[in-house]
Amino acid sequence: QSVLTQPPSVSGAPGQRVTISCTGSSSNIGAGYDVHWYQQLPGTAPKFLIYGNSNRPSGVPDRFSGSKSGTSASLAITGLQAEDEADYYCQSYDSSLSAWVFGGGTKLTVL
Amino acid sequence: EVQLVESGGGLVKPGGSLRLSCAASGFTFSSYSMNWVRQAPGKGLEWVSSISSSSSYIYYADSVKGRFTISRDNAKNSLYLQMNSLRAEDTAVYYCARGRTTVVVPANWFDPWGQGTLVTVSS
Repeated sequence: QSVLTQPPSVSGAPGQRVTISCTGSSSNIGAGYDVHWYQQLPGTAPKFLIYGNSNRPSGVPDRFSGSKSGTSASLAITGLQAEDEADYYCQSYDSSLSAWVFGGGTKLTVL
Repeated sequence: EVQLVESGGGLVKPGGSLRLSCAASGFTFSSYSMNWVRQAPGKGLEWVSSISSSSSYIYYADSVKGRFTISRDNAKNSLYLQMNSLRAEDTAVYYCARGRTTVVVPANWFDPWGQGTLVTVSS
């Protein structure tokens, strides 16, 4: 049971827009701690995707965007491409646990 | 190019020990905090431990506290994880990842990541 809750899976057709939610609580996202996102392609290490809730590191396409509101955050991917098929993880800090925490991960399938 | 290369994984019996290493290159290692994150087979990511650039501040997940020890050698651009009293539930791919800055802050992120090293705890 992850501290941050993500849907196990989402899917979309090429060109479509999908969103992945990340729901936390008052001790992590709701406490104002930043949310970061990672993409893990099959059989590879995670890759840094979004930092500070909504910022993209250099090299990340602007098709990827992040937002945060209250105790939740979201990752949006527009113009879906086959190469976006991967697992996506949100990450934040939890003050009750004094630990950096991840969501359980969401598997994105491009139909 | 920033690169992190883990080594030291393998098969170990329950109760045994293992020492992981992470060799860093392509950046000023002594200027960044470092982290270990693990991923059990078919499961999600779990933060394990973090260490500040000067080793002054060290943090552990409750699941490994008292059994694992993180350390670093800035002269050798290397990060280590000494794992003792290993359990079956410690079986995972262990990744080292660079932190956000010199100190370990709540807003810490992990970038980049190494390719990981597999630790299997089984009799």
